[in-house]
Amino acid sequence: DIQMTQSPSFLSASVGERVTLSCRASQNINKYLDWYQQKLGEAPKLLIYNTNNLHTGIPSRFSGSGSGTDYTLTISSLQPEDVATYFCLQRNSWPYTFGAGTKLELK
Amino acid sequence: QVQLKESGPGLVQPSQTLSLTCTVSGFSLTSNSVHWVRQPPGKGLEWVGAIWSGGSTDYNSALKSRLSISRDTSKSQVFLKMNSLQTEDTAIYFCTSFITWGQGVMVTVSS
Repeated sequence: DIQMTQSPSFLSASVGERVTLSCRASQNINKYLDWYQQKLGEAPKLLIYNTNNLHTGIPSRFSGSGSGTDYTLTISSLQPEDVATYFCLQRNSWPYTFGAGTKLELK
Repeated sequence: QVQLKESGPGLVQPSQTLSLTCTVSGFSLTSNSVHWVRQPPGKGLEWVGAIWSGGSTDYNSALKSRLSISRDTSKSQVFLKMNSLQTEDTAIYFCTSFITWGQGVMVTVSS
């Protein structure tokens, strides 16, 4: 199985700050990497699919990049409503696997 | 508007079988795949399995021996059955197209 390692596990940042979250795969996943946002008590919400495609309705402050084994989610200017846990998901091969998540809080 | 909604018992006894239903609307099961994902309380997400548009299935290898996913296209429903439940199967179970997610159903395994 492909292992997905997210870093950091926890991040505290200020409103307006640029935030970068990372996800590393144990092998090449050919850009089949999605990012989800999960707020407390809610289902995950798709933000980015296939590395860098912004899902419909997602604010443009969210962006994704990467290739091979290393991928990044960037929030260009953190907003209070971005407080959540962020998960990456690889869909390159079975079984699909998630990262353990990055919990993002306001400083 | 695409919607998925899980239903099933909130409490299951150890060693018993879990049966969950995912009712979808706004899209066809013969054109889209549906996946089950679970999340133990306070923990991360685990892909459980999927049923593809053609009706074939794939399962998490760790759960494969206990798991069955099927569907009724006429009712727009997908079913998950997992036997020999243990306390570590306690989780929120989501059905999802990976674009749209259901609200999830909390399943507690306890006597």
